[in-house]
Amino acid sequence: DVKVTQSSRYLVKRTGEKVFLECVQDMDHENMFWYRQDPGLGLRLIYFSYDVKMKEKGDIPEGYSVSREKKERFSLILESASTNQTSMYLCASSLPQTRSYGYTFGSGTRLTVV
Amino acid sequence: GNSVTQMEGPVTLSEEAFLTINCTYTATGYPSLFWYVQYPGEGLQLLLKATKADDKGSNKGFEATYRKETTSFHLEKGSVQVSDSAVYFCAPGGSGGSNYKLTFGKGTLLTVNP
Repeated sequence: DVKVTQSSRYLVKRTGEKVFLECVQDMDHENMFWYRQDPGLGLRLIYFSYDVKMKEKGDIPEGYSVSREKKERFSLILESASTNQTSMYLCASSLPQTRSYGYTFGSGTRLTVV
Repeated sequence: GNSVTQMEGPVTLSEEAFLTINCTYTATGYPSLFWYVQYPGEGLQLLLKATKADDKGSNKGFEATYRKETTSFHLEKGSVQVSDSAVYFCAPGGSGGSNYKLTFGKGTLLTVNP
């Protein structure tokens, strides 16, 4: 069964910590995405990557960075965590032919910053 | 870019009731249209899709028809079950200059009572 795996389901971090959220896919997908999901706001795109070492900003990149050193792995980095980054983080991947297949999502990481 | 408006929830129904969740979109070009479902505590799963006008997507008793003339992709199910309780997201995408990108609605929470 093909899948996208996020390393943690729940994470609690302190304000100011550097936080790494990891995502791995086993489908050989070119595209990978990081979203955050908040009540009333839906899904908002943070960053995406269309190839190894390539990245582009999404709608809300401030306070985040990403790394894609290998095709199967896409990491989201919170350089200095703040309480307003408490959220559900969703990773997704897709083939270049998004219109035919859509995205495959991971199960999400619920991050709490205290 | 694309935008999507879907019916605001929450929607509460009794088991075996008929379900409609409205979705309209604006898009560049001719997007594919997707419905995703998110069960409690999980990531999003692809429910159904349609890639061209008049196509009907279907899965697990859910259906939606790509209506180009009304730019709509309403989700329907004839008889809902308690297990259908989830959040449903409409997502056009895969067209125009951003052919990798899906645009997600804010989600509609469905609760089905026994």
